[in-house]
Amino acid sequence: GQSLEQPSEVTAVEGAIVQINCTYQTSGFYGLSWYQQHDGGAPTFLSYNGLDGLEETGRFSSFLSRSDSYGYLLLQELQMKDSASYFCAVRWMDSSYKLIFGSGTRLLVRP
Amino acid sequence: DVKVTQSSRYLVKRTGEKVFLECVQDMDHENMFWYRQDPGLGLRLIYFSYDVKMKEKGDIPEGYSVSREKKERFSLILESASTNQTSMYLCASSPGQGNIQYFGAGTRLSVL
Repeated sequence: GQSLEQPSEVTAVEGAIVQINCTYQTSGFYGLSWYQQHDGGAPTFLSYNGLDGLEETGRFSSFLSRSDSYGYLLLQELQMKDSASYFCAVRWMDSSYKLIFGSGTRLLVRP
Repeated sequence: DVKVTQSSRYLVKRTGEKVFLECVQDMDHENMFWYRQDPGLGLRLIYFSYDVKMKEKGDIPEGYSVSREKKERFSLILESASTNQTSMYLCASSPGQGNIQYFGAGTRLSVL
């Protein structure tokens, strides 16, 4: 089916690098996007990959490989404020304007 | 900056009440969405609209209806609130063929 799989939780140390993976089974989508959500807050857009490869936005990078059926979000120089949930999302080509979201990965950054 | 505004951050209602959740966006986006978010279940799409007066069911439309009379406003209606509709409700908008959605701050609804 059309679902996105993410690890439920990741823990990392301040200053480190962490990679959050997003895997899927079918690749008929327009692109992969990533959202950040702090506790009690709204999801905010972080990054979008329309094509395979790496997109870099400051400390955050996102990668997509359609042939390998996965993407990831890379967070560098982790800060305490990066503790949040991270969601990947795609717009499948057969689902009009809907985004399908992964179940989210809760990132805990420790000092 | 895109702004999506939800009318209330917190609401407490009683079982059986009719509840209106309002959402307004200021970027002339064609598409608007209503989600609910529950622990462990992620974001689930309730309804969306791709034009004024147009609506489509999402994954969990039962117990909800929507209204889009103006492009900038999308309302979610709980005809008869039930306790299992206690949740965080998130509104979002996106431009026509957009792959990026912009979210409001959310409304935390408690049905007692």
